[in-house]
Amino acid sequence: DAGVIQSPRHEVTEMGQEVTLRCKPISGHNSLFWYRQTMMRGLELLIYFNNNVPIDDSGMPEDRFSAKMPNASFSTLKIQPSEPRDSAVYFCASTNPTRGNYGYTFGSGTRLTVV
Amino acid sequence: AQSVTQPDIHITVSEGASLELRCNYSYGATPYLFWYVQSPGQGLQLLLKYFSGDTLVQGIKGFEAEFKRSQSSFNLRKPSVHWSDAAEYFCAVGAASGNTPLVFGKGTRLSVIA
Repeated sequence: DAGVIQSPRHEVTEMGQEVTLRCKPISGHNSLFWYRQTMMRGLELLIYFNNNVPIDDSGMPEDRFSAKMPNASFSTLKIQPSEPRDSAVYFCASTNPTRGNYGYTFGSGTRLTVV
Repeated sequence: AQSVTQPDIHITVSEGASLELRCNYSYGATPYLFWYVQSPGQGLQLLLKYFSGDTLVQGIKGFEAEFKRSQSSFNLRKPSVHWSDAAEYFCAVGAASGNTPLVFGKGTRLSVIA
C-alpha cells in the first residue's frame, strides 16, 4: 500500500500565481480531507469529500481556494491568486467510513511558500 | 459542541523517563478517540485508537492510552521515552460512523533531553 500520495512536497511561488496541490488517496478509501497546518492556527480542516462529492467546504478561507475530486483516485486543491498568508503545510487524508471510523491516513504534506 | 483540549503546548522529558500527555474531549455521542504523532516534516501517523471495550489501549511504538469516561479524558502514556519520540502529538475525537470529520486538538510538542 503506497499510502496517501501528495505532490509536490515543496512549492515556492510568487504572490499572485496559481498554485495546484495534488492528492491521491488510498485505493478503496471513499472519504478525502484537505487540511492546512500553520504555527498560529494549528491543523484546520478546509474541505472534505465523500464518494467524490464535496460535503463541507466551510473551512475554505476565501474564494481564492477551490478543491475538486474528479474521481475516486485524485483530488486537487487550487489557490488562485496565491498570497503570502497562504504559506503553510497542506495535508490530504483519506479513510473508508463505510466500515466504521478507523481514523485517517495522512499524506506527507505539501509545504507551500508564497513570496 | 465537539472539542478536544490538549492543555500542554510543550512538554520536555528526559530520555528514559515516563510520559503522560493529556487530552480532554467534549462530544455529544459515544466518542471514537485517536492519538496521532507528527515527526518534523512528516504527516500525521496514527498511534492508537479507542472504540469500545477495554479502556486501556495499546498502540505502536510502545504507547498506550487510557479512556476515562467520567473525566472525558484520553491520556497518552509511555513508560520510558526514547529520543526518537520527540515530535508533535495530536488527540482527536470522532463519530462511530466515520461520516463526519475528526476533531483535532491543537497538539502537544514533546522534547526529549539526554
